[in-house]
Amino acid sequence: GDSVTQTEGPVTVSESESLIINCTYSATSIAYPNLFWYVRYPGEGLQLLLKVITAGQKGSSRGFEATYNKETTSFHLQKASVQESDSAVYYCALGDDSNNRIFFGDGTQLVVKP
Amino acid sequence: AQTIHQWPVAEIKAVGSPLSLGCTIKGKSSPNLYWYWQATGGTLQQLFYSITVGQVESVVQLNLSASRPKDDQFILSTEKLLLSHSGFYLCAWSTGNSDYTFGSGTRLLVI
Repeated sequence: GDSVTQTEGPVTVSESESLIINCTYSATSIAYPNLFWYVRYPGEGLQLLLKVITAGQKGSSRGFEATYNKETTSFHLQKASVQESDSAVYYCALGDDSNNRIFFGDGTQLVVKP
Repeated sequence: AQTIHQWPVAEIKAVGSPLSLGCTIKGKSSPNLYWYWQATGGTLQQLFYSITVGQVESVVQLNLSASRPKDDQFILSTEKLLLSHSGFYLCAWSTGNSDYTFGSGTRLLVI
């Protein structure tokens, strides 16, 4: 089936350290999957962090980046140097525009220590 | 600018009581509308979507129903709540082109 698996949280890192949150997907019934990272900051709604709709492309936003790797079916989220304000829950998601569906991973809580 | 408003922000309801959650989108004509639900500690799951007024497709059966009475309004409801309905409900809209925008959500506790 179609699904997303991501790093189980919480993930705790110190400020200025690097971060990687793993995301792999299965898109058995989606011809042209789109990949997303969403973020929910404490007390706020779900926001789009970045999206990539073409395999092989990289998306970036707010210092985060993720590359759509069709060979390894992965879309890992990386940041070279995290800040305390990056503390949030991050969701990897797989979209299927032709069927109006989007599949989310379980979310990864990131805690950045000062 | 487009805005999406969900109400209420939070609810505590008794088992067996009715429920109505609302979502309104302003500034966008004929959006695709969606309802999502996340149980505590669970995965965010798509429940319903609608691409036009009066038409709603069910994705996951949870003894809930949805309606789209107006172009900019999406309602989630049930006549009898179950304990298992507790969780976080999110409304979203898109133009059908990988550009989902989510509301702030409604937190529901059924007791």
